[in-house]
Amino acid sequence: SYDLSQPPSVSVAPGQTASITCSGDKLGDKYACWYQQKPGQPPVLVIYQDTERPSGIPERFSGSNSGNTATLTISGTQAMDEADYYCQAWDRTTAVFGGGTKLTVL
Amino acid sequence: QVQLRESGPGLVKPSETLSLSCTVSGDSIGDYYLTWIRRPAGKGLEYIGRIFPSGSTNYSPSFRSRVTMSVGTSKNQFSLKVRSVTAADTAAYYCARLNGSGMDVWGPGTTVTVSS
Repeated sequence: SYDLSQPPSVSVAPGQTASITCSGDKLGDKYACWYQQKPGQPPVLVIYQDTERPSGIPERFSGSNSGNTATLTISGTQAMDEADYYCQAWDRTTAVFGGGTKLTVL
Repeated sequence: QVQLRESGPGLVKPSETLSLSCTVSGDSIGDYYLTWIRRPAGKGLEYIGRIFPSGSTNYSPSFRSRVTMSVGTSKNQFSLKVRSVTAADTAAYYCARLNGSGMDVWGPGTTVTVSS
């Protein structure tokens, strides 16, 4: 089975840049997506097809994917960005999620 | 704009079958897959599987042996059944629309507890 690995936690000061990584074998050959989930709410798609932002997602969210690593970058992090973040890719017909990263805005 | 909402019993006994529905409103699901995903308390997201409005399904290997997904004749109601549940199936369950490679519309989720 295909696995995606994320750091359990990332901390960032307000206004600084947060980077969350997602690692998987030849992940760069697949499309990566990223979801934000806050307590008591469903996940929200923030990046799809490696770099694309859905309508309504702030420009401070960006993504990249190359080699074995996809990265979600949040520039000018705000307190409202504190949440769990999940990467996701497809292994044939099965979606695979990373274990999730808790982003803390200090 | 399409909206999704999950519904079903919040409490299921061990060894029984968990049955959930996902109702589509606002617009049709169109030619998009409907996926089911869950999040156990204190854990991460888990992919269960997907169903096309035609009824074609793909299940995650982790659930394939005890899951069934179906779609109603009006194509605005989808269902998920998970057989032989245990406490490990206690989770928030979500239905979500698959658009390309990502799930772009999610229901609010429904919490299911497996307990006697």
